[in-house]
Amino acid sequence: DAEITQSPRHKITETGRQVTLACHQTWNHNNMFWYRQDLGHGLRLIHYSYGVQDTNKGEVSDGYSVSRSNTEDLPLTLESAASSQTSVYFCASSEVTSGTQYFGPGTRLLVL
Amino acid sequence: GENVEQHPSTLSVQEGDSAVIKCTYSDSASNYFPWYKQELGKRPQLIIDIRSNVGEKKDQRIAVTLNKTAKHFSLHITETQPEDSAVYFCAASTWNQFYFGTGTSLTVIP
Repeated sequence: DAEITQSPRHKITETGRQVTLACHQTWNHNNMFWYRQDLGHGLRLIHYSYGVQDTNKGEVSDGYSVSRSNTEDLPLTLESAASSQTSVYFCASSEVTSGTQYFGPGTRLLVL
Repeated sequence: GENVEQHPSTLSVQEGDSAVIKCTYSDSASNYFPWYKQELGKRPQLIIDIRSNVGEKKDQRIAVTLNKTAKHFSLHITETQPEDSAVYFCAASTWNQFYFGTGTSLTVIP
């Protein structure tokens, strides 16, 4: 069955380190998104991509970057992890036509 | 950009009663309004959605209404059950970008 996966599911890192969170989908969706979820803020968009080689900033993109070299993957990189980036990160993908987004299982990141 | 407000932030109902969650949005260009349910420690799951050319949509015990003029939409859950307890998020979308509300934590008391 087609699905969307994230790895790792849990990560502990130290401030200043570079961290990459993986997202992989097998639906062949063109659109992919990264969100962070924090108590009281809901889901906030970090970066998104509408296709290979396309990347765009969301509302909370500072300190994060993404790259899209193929349809299936959209890795999220924290260039220099900060304690404020402790959060749960969700990847999502959608078809262009329906717009319905399907979420991955999430990655819980703790920055010490 | 779009601003989505969601109320209430917490809601407790007795089993069998109805629950209503309301959202407002600011961008009249938004044309797609999904609702997600998120259980503790799990991913958000789509439960129902509505597009701007429709005023109401129903799926068993769940319904969503949309008032484009007033820019608000609501989730209605009837005959609530304990397994309905979760956090519910509304979203407004234009051009495939979602803007989420801050969530409503629903507790159904047996």
